[in-house]
Amino acid sequence: GQNIDQPTEMTATEGAIVQINCTYQTSGFNGLFWYQQHAGEAPTFLSYNVLDGLEEKGRFSSFLSRSKGYSYLLLKELQMKDSASYLCAVMDSNYQLIWGAGTKLIIKP
Amino acid sequence: GAVVSQHPSRVICKSGTSVKIECRSLDFQATTMFWYRQFPKQSLMLMATSNEGSKATYEQGVEKDKFLINHASLTLSTLTVTSAHPEDSSFYICSAHLSGGGDYNEQFFGPGTRLTVL
Repeated sequence: GQNIDQPTEMTATEGAIVQINCTYQTSGFNGLFWYQQHAGEAPTFLSYNVLDGLEEKGRFSSFLSRSKGYSYLLLKELQMKDSASYLCAVMDSNYQLIWGAGTKLIIKP
Repeated sequence: GAVVSQHPSRVICKSGTSVKIECRSLDFQATTMFWYRQFPKQSLMLMATSNEGSKATYEQGVEKDKFLINHASLTLSTLTVTSAHPEDSSFYICSAHLSGGGDYNEQFFGPGTRLTVL
């Protein structure tokens, strides 16, 4: 079956760094996505990885290892507005997104 | 970037009525659109895949006669919740698939529709 695993909840301090891990097992692979979702809103796109390695975009970076079925999202210089759920999703061979349950990130002052 | 709109953003209806939700890709053509449902504190659940000019493909457990999907053009897909019941109250989100050629693929999400059935 298809499976995406990520931690349910994480807590970090404002100004710090946090890494959210995601492991996956899917039928086919057309890329891995990270989305941010604030309560009551639709997901917003953060990053896309289809090749192994690190993609950096401002305070956010995403890493992919296809051989290990593993990705992480790294958030630097955390701000209070970063408190949200972070969703890992893999696009399978049918171009459908297989979603993880999301990681709720709590930022404390 | 590509923009997807949804209308309405919020709807309250009586039990037994039907509600139509529109999903539009504003600045690109989307041959494939996806409809999701999200209950509080849960992840997105794919309901169906909508392909322009053909019948939608529904996920297991989703009633195709209750959730009618029409993808009549390359920029518009509609989801009609028929004979709505309180348990259909949820956050409905559409997305449109954009292929940028090569290895690039992305889904762009609409802002979502909050449906409350009384």
